[in-house]
Amino acid sequence: QLQLQESGPGLAKPWETLSLTCTVSGGSISGSSYYWGWLRQPPGKGLEWIGSIYYTGSTYYNPSLKGRVSISVDTSKNQFFLKLSSVTAADTGIFYCASLHWGSLFDPWGQGTLVTVSS
Amino acid sequence: QSVLTQPPSTSGTPGQKVTISCSGSSSNIGSNYVYWYQQLPGTAPKVLIYRNNQRPSGVPDRFSGSKSGTSASLAISGVRSEDEADYYCAAWDDRLSGPVFGGGTSLTVL
Repeated sequence: QLQLQESGPGLAKPWETLSLTCTVSGGSISGSSYYWGWLRQPPGKGLEWIGSIYYTGSTYYNPSLKGRVSISVDTSKNQFFLKLSSVTAADTGIFYCASLHWGSLFDPWGQGTLVTVSS
Repeated sequence: QSVLTQPPSTSGTPGQKVTISCSGSSSNIGSNYVYWYQQLPGTAPKVLIYRNNQRPSGVPDRFSGSKSGTSASLAISGVRSEDEADYYCAAWDDRLSGPVFGGGTSLTVL
């Protein structure tokens, strides 16, 4: 079955760019009508959608993060990517990638990766 | 501040029925499907209810979802200790053109 796995540095410096990769296995990232999404969860807080991408490269982002976020895809590697620029301590949290259906059904999810923003 | 409003916490004793509410507006719950997620401690969320009241295979039938107007509810009939988790509602928001979440409700089974 479909599985997702996040990877990337666990530490980012303030005002730098956070970069994460989501690797999809058990299915083709371009072989379905799914979108692919990134979400985050600050420590002890709730979930926030960051943005989503289709295998063609079509994207849409959370307006609250627009301007700082960029999501891209590499279908040959079955991966999609997140870049979040000018990070601050407020961006610290667990970042999840997930398959997205019908706009709001995230399933399945990756296990999540903790990113701490600190100098 | 989350777009959808949930109570921060609730509790129940084993076997009791517990209900979690999720309040939104005409641009999200009022015009789109509602989804519910369960997040067990230290794990990623998983979908519990999709399209207002549908259960994925493997989700016990003691979990049920409903929607009325701009509000939705998740009910757990006969709550068990293993149901102790955080629960989140979500829906597409037409105004924001993206999915929005509730702040989450922490369920304690006493």
